[in-house]
This record gives sequence, C-alpha cells and structure tokens, in this order.
Amino acid sequence: SQKIEQNSEALNIQEGKTATLTCNYTNYSPAYLQWYRQDPGRGPVFLLLIRENEKEKRKERLKVTFDTTLKQSLFHITASQPADSATYLCALRDETSYDKVIFGPGTSLSVIP
Amino acid sequence: DGGITQSPKYLFRKEGQNVTLSCEQNLNHDAMYWYRQDPGQGLRLIYYSQIVNDFQKGDIAEGYSVSREKKESFPLTVTSAQKNPTAFYLCASSILGAANYEQYFGPGTRLTVT
Repeated sequence: SQKIEQNSEALNIQEGKTATLTCNYTNYSPAYLQWYRQDPGRGPVFLLLIRENEKEKRKERLKVTFDTTLKQSLFHITASQPADSATYLCALRDETSYDKVIFGPGTSLSVIP
Repeated sequence: DGGITQSPKYLFRKEGQNVTLSCEQNLNHDAMYWYRQDPGQGLRLIYYSQIVNDFQKGDIAEGYSVSREKKESFPLTVTSAQKNPTAFYLCASSILGAANYEQYFGPGTRLTVT
C-alpha cells in the first residue's frame, strides 16, 4: 500500500545545531516533493519544493535532499533557533491525480535554547 | 491583502446537526482543497476542486459534502452522517499548472461536536 512516513518521535535539539528530518515514501513515484511548516493551531506554510531530477535544494538555512532510489527526502535546518520549533510536514503529488496532494504525518521539532 | 479566509475559527455543534464551514480565497486560484487534521496526525484530504462546478472526493469524503459555485468559494458541510466530526479543518488553494504547485492554507476552523 502507499505510505508516507516521517520521524515517528518528536525531535529535540540544542540551539545552533543542525536538525535533520526524514520523509520516506512507499509505492509512490513522485515527480517532486514539498516541505511545509505548521505552527500549533495554524495552517501549514510552504517552505521548499524539490523535483525528482534535483538532488539538493537550499533556501537560507534550509536544505532538502531527494533520493528517488531510496525513496527518501531529508530536510535540514542549520544553525537552528528556538523560532524554528514547529511541526514539519512533507508532501507529494499523488500520481493518479494531477492536483491531489498527500501529506505525511509530520515531525515535531523543538529547538532548546 | 491576498489570502485564504476561513470562518469561524472555533465552531461548536450538537451531535446530529449539519454544519457548514466557510472558505474564501482572493488569490485567483483554480484549485481548492479541504483537509481534516486530528491531534498528532497529518492532513487527510476530504474533497478537492479544480474548477467551478466540479469537485472530487479525497480519501475521507464520507459524511462530508462540498460545493463550488464560485471560483473564490469552497464551503464544506459536515453532515450528521460523519461519525467523528470533531477535528481541525483546513482549506487550501493552489494554481493549476504552476511550476511549484505549492498550496496556500487558511487559518483553519476547529470544530467541536458534543
């Protein structure tokens, strides 16, 4: 069956360190994958998109990798700050429908001062 | 100021009553979506629409209904047939055929049914 999995446990890291979040998918062949940030009680906000032919994408302190062989994307936040504390969701387009998006369960990140 | 609005932010209903959640966007987006989020869970797709007067069921459409009479509006009705309606409901929109396909989300409506 089709599945998207993210780090099952909440991630706690020290301020200044690099946070690495994992997104694994099964039985999908996405052309691209997206990452969103969600704060408690609010809607998700788009952060980055990476295409299947891109190995890596960067935006300021964020870096995303996409390995279609491993069926995995890694999301890195370098020099993490307490303001980075949030839930991070990965998402991919369902190949059966052009505009249908499937979200992973999310990983809760806490950056400790 | 462009964006998506959802109202109300909090909604309380008695079991057995239908309730309609509002979603309006002024981004001129063709595609609109409704998701449900339960505590500690990801987003699950209820319905989506790519064009006015057309919509498709998502993964958990049972007990819900939608309409898309205007491009800007995509209301969701939670019917009494929905067995566990208490949840956080999120509306989103996106451009059809855009290069990055990002979704823009509203602030959400938290529905509590007792």
